[in-house]
Amino acid sequence: DTGVSQDPRHKITKRGQNVTFRCDPISEHNRLYWYRQTLGQGPEFLTYFQNEAQLEKSRLLSDRFSAERPKGSFSTLEIQRTEQGDSAMYLCASSPPRGAPEAFFGQGTRLTVV
Amino acid sequence: GEDVEQSLFLSVREGDSSVINCTYTDSSSTYLYWYKQEPGAGLQLLTYIFSNMDMKQDQRLTVLLNKKDKHLSLRIADTQTGDSAIYFCAESKNRGSTLGRLYFGRGTQLTVWP
Repeated sequence: DTGVSQDPRHKITKRGQNVTFRCDPISEHNRLYWYRQTLGQGPEFLTYFQNEAQLEKSRLLSDRFSAERPKGSFSTLEIQRTEQGDSAMYLCASSPPRGAPEAFFGQGTRLTVV
Repeated sequence: GEDVEQSLFLSVREGDSSVINCTYTDSSSTYLYWYKQEPGAGLQLLTYIFSNMDMKQDQRLTVLLNKKDKHLSLRIADTQTGDSAIYFCAESKNRGSTLGRLYFGRGTQLTVWP
């Protein structure tokens, strides 16, 4: 297993366009998290899936954001009608079902809204 | 975020020890983590410590936890130029929070001079 994989690594989009990011967690990790990181800040929690169920959403996740994990494996994060304030690094992490909650992060998707 | 505080910058000479400090506010935190982030990359899990421990050593890394003062530190022995990166302290909370959700500090930029 090569770890958590995110695609694309970079995305430049015009304001108002929709974008979708994909995350493939480590195999057998049933817990999946999305975070957002802006320049000079630590990652901030966006949402959490346990298997296919979305169990928590942060207040940071406005109505323009939606996340899915349809079969409990990969996840997608969609941002509709992007705004310049959405420019950030979007990080995905996964954790195993048992033991210490070690969260392993992907390389992130860098979004730039112009 | 505001729950976890770190100093923003640290500079050391190659071969010296580095000590990165962190304070947190939630006494119910169960696990405390150190992550490393290199430019443009995701977060690499370095080590973590369970809240009932006061020290953990892993090769060049030593983590010290003072639960009474809610203070966590990461010591890197024989610091190398390849250790230059941003180091994030993070906590996972036991009460009132999603399992495994992490709360991050703003990160400490470690610069190692040759």
